[in-house]
Amino acid sequence: DSGVTQTPKHLITATGQRVTLRCSPRSGDLSVYWYQQSLDQGLQFLIQYYNGEERAKGNILERFSAQQFPDLHSELNLSSLELGDSALYFCASSEDPGQGLYEQYFGPGTRLTVT
Amino acid sequence: KNQVEQSPQSLIILEGKNCTLQCNYTVSPFSNLRWYKQDTGRGPVSLTIMTFSENTKSNGRYTATLDADTKQSSLHITASQLSDSASYICVVNAMEYGNKLVFGAGTILRVKS
Repeated sequence: DSGVTQTPKHLITATGQRVTLRCSPRSGDLSVYWYQQSLDQGLQFLIQYYNGEERAKGNILERFSAQQFPDLHSELNLSSLELGDSALYFCASSEDPGQGLYEQYFGPGTRLTVT
Repeated sequence: KNQVEQSPQSLIILEGKNCTLQCNYTVSPFSNLRWYKQDTGRGPVSLTIMTFSENTKSNGRYTATLDADTKQSSLHITASQLSDSASYICVVNAMEYGNKLVFGAGTILRVKS
């Protein structure tokens, strides 16, 4: 158990809909990262927050947005969903404000299926 | 173009045997290279982290090597166990992109009895 929690575990929704994925980091970690892992593809970095502020942006679509709240939990919002958005979405947390030598601890993931 | 390429794509070995997984990268400069193990449907777990100045790092039966000149890394697994069956992912910390992690597609290892 990494100490990172994600909810829900599974999510099935229709095209055009909007969903929110939630992540609680390990106690004491200020950084939260979101990743997307599509079938047969590697992990893609989406976005990082550090202590409530956006720190780095990766391959995140404009239809997607995220935020980190004062209690450090984070939410990833996916809107106008398309079939291609079906994937595993992972959250990771770290003490590190950047992506230096600190470990990133990954949550169990949310499996999103868009039908 | 994928900046981190891993080979082989998949591998089947017998329990107790050793194996070596390869990672070639074009990311430069980089600050560190990591190997992760990902069980099916679960989040990745870190095995090793090496800075650009390190040549080798071990974690139990896992030994990672790094040659920054040739931009190659390998992960050697000794005396494989059934529980080693997983995807092994090579990850490079790309300084050019503000220290973002660039992931390889992974090598799927299956250990059979």
